[in-house]
Parts: sequence; C-alpha cells; structure tokens
Amino acid sequence: DADVTQTPRNRITKTGKRIMLECSQTKGHDRMYWYRQDPGLGLRLIYYSFDVKDINKGEISDGYSVSRQAQAKFSLSLESAIPNQTALYFCATSDFKAGSYNEQFFGPGTRLTVL
Amino acid sequence: GEDVEQSLFLSVREGDSSVINCTYTDSSSTYLYWYKQEPGAGLQLLTYIFSNMDMKQDQRLTVLLNKKDKHLSLRIADTQTGDSAIYFCAEKDTNAGKSTFGDGTTLTVKP
Repeated sequence: DADVTQTPRNRITKTGKRIMLECSQTKGHDRMYWYRQDPGLGLRLIYYSFDVKDINKGEISDGYSVSRQAQAKFSLSLESAIPNQTALYFCATSDFKAGSYNEQFFGPGTRLTVL
Repeated sequence: GEDVEQSLFLSVREGDSSVINCTYTDSSSTYLYWYKQEPGAGLQLLTYIFSNMDMKQDQRLTVLLNKKDKHLSLRIADTQTGDSAIYFCAEKDTNAGKSTFGDGTTLTVKP
C-alpha cells in the first residue's frame, strides 16, 4: 500500500463550488505539505503543518484553507473554486531529525479542473 | 524570498551524459536535493547533497555543488530512455524548515 494517498485522484468542478482534497499518510511523519504544480511554474507551496496544532501559510495560500485533523490527515479546501486553480495538487510528508536530510515523500497527486 | 532556477528542457541521445543545472539564492541552505517526477506520478527523491560537500557520486549520478556561486548540477552518465522525466532541484531553508523547488527540467532521452 502507498505511504501517502490522496483522494480524489481526479476532479472536475465548476466555478464557485467548494472542494476538499484529502491526504492521508502511514509514515508516522509529523510534517505535511500541500503544493500545486503548474506547467513551467514548478511546485509552489500552499500550506504546511509541522504538527497537528501548527499550520503555516506557504507562498500561495490565498483562496485555500487547510485542516490537520490528525497526525495522519491533512486536507486542503478551495472555498469557492475559480478556473485559475486548475492544477495538479500534491501532498507530501516528511520526518524531522536534526542534522538529517529529511526527504519529502509525495502522494500521487490530484488533478483538479475548475470550469 | 528564496528562489531556485532551472532551465526547463533538455534533450539528449541514449548513452550520452545529461547535465541538469540549478541556481539558488538561499545561502543558509543546509541540504540541496534532486527529485525525479515520472509521468503521472508524484516526486521521488533521487539524491541529495549536504552543503559542506562539493561532490557526491551515486552510481550513474554525480552531484556537484559550488556553494560560492550557489550552483548545483546533476550529471546522469549513460542516460537511458527510462531516465526521461522531470527533474526538480530543491533547497531546504533550515530556519523555516521547508523546501523551495525549482520549476523542473524536462529531460527527454532519444533512442
């Protein structure tokens, strides 16, 4: 089974709708991240969480909100979807050990289309 | 804020070496990474280098770090068609505890 799962994998929605993307992990990591990927723009950080009570905005948080329901779950919401939020969304997790490289483990992605 | 830049495309012939370059701005980076994204998949860590090193070799992969110029490169020897993917350079901001990714270099390997 995959260590980081995302649901749904694909979603088409209409402008103005509320959408929730979910992420679950079985790696036991405290740190979780949401990114969006757009062609030619790479990965941009939306929100990140270092533990259940710690939520931080990334570089492009406007129009998004998150919820860390448990160590293993981190959800991303689009309160009122707009077409320029059409993108590929990735969840990632990482451990934190001082002095270690602490790689990030990525989910398979959610392709979101807003019409 | 931190910035990581890469060229967007690279095309090589099978068997040749590939060199993907990256520049970054954050002088406090302690680790720099190369992630690989295959079609339809998430990113996977390919290799990493600690900032006090200038070279790391792992089988066909060689990472070179020029800390003075803030330049990182990934060399893939004997490139194969299975190496076709998007390669992302990333740096970790130790103070903020998060990483900044480049835009990704799409490597195409032609038979």
